[in-house]
Amino acid sequence: GAVVSQHPSRVICKSGTSVKIECRSLDFQATTMFWYRQFPKQSLMLMATSNEGSKATYEQGVEKDKFLINHASLTLSTLTVTSAHPEDSSFYICSARRSRETQYFGPGTRLLVL
Amino acid sequence: GESVGLHLPTLSVQEGDNSIINCAYSNSASDYFIWYKQESGKGPQFIIDIRSNMDKRQGQRVTVLLNKTVKHLSLQIAATQPGDSAVYFCAEANQAGTALIFGKGTTLSVSS
Repeated sequence: GAVVSQHPSRVICKSGTSVKIECRSLDFQATTMFWYRQFPKQSLMLMATSNEGSKATYEQGVEKDKFLINHASLTLSTLTVTSAHPEDSSFYICSARRSRETQYFGPGTRLLVL
Repeated sequence: GESVGLHLPTLSVQEGDNSIINCAYSNSASDYFIWYKQESGKGPQFIIDIRSNMDKRQGQRVTVLLNKTVKHLSLQIAATQPGDSAVYFCAEANQAGTALIFGKGTTLSVSS
């Protein structure tokens, strides 16, 4: 099956620093990738849709200047959490769309902001 | 609004029993539904999907049932095993077909 990777898998940072998370589709080209956020014992919440070569589309309530998304190639999308604060601590998961419906999820990145 | 929800937050079964996990959706325009399994600290794993022109689909040990009349989706797991213990989410493709809307999740616990 298709594989989507995320890097890093886990990151701990100090408050005020920026953190970049990479999402890669390893064996297919993905014109669209999605970024989700998941708090403990809760469901996945869509943050933004990342389209290759264009600006990301953010869901209501998600600050685009806080969560910078870059989809520079058909296999890579990055999410940068700028000036991270403890409330940004969460599990961030990306997915890559292979067809209209088929999405493959990455293993997630655990962010802890101290 | 568009939302997908699950009836029960937790389900406990004995090994070998059949498990049924339910989900109710509210958007009658959704035409594609997926069940995911998520183990602790990992991303969602695809289990099975179904399109709105079908009411049943079977996989290996799993069956998804779709009742469009009452907007209900269920996942049946036959002969549940300890390795099936995880959180199960249903998701629907929204009208634009661009993003998945996830339900709240059911935690399945299988005891030996």
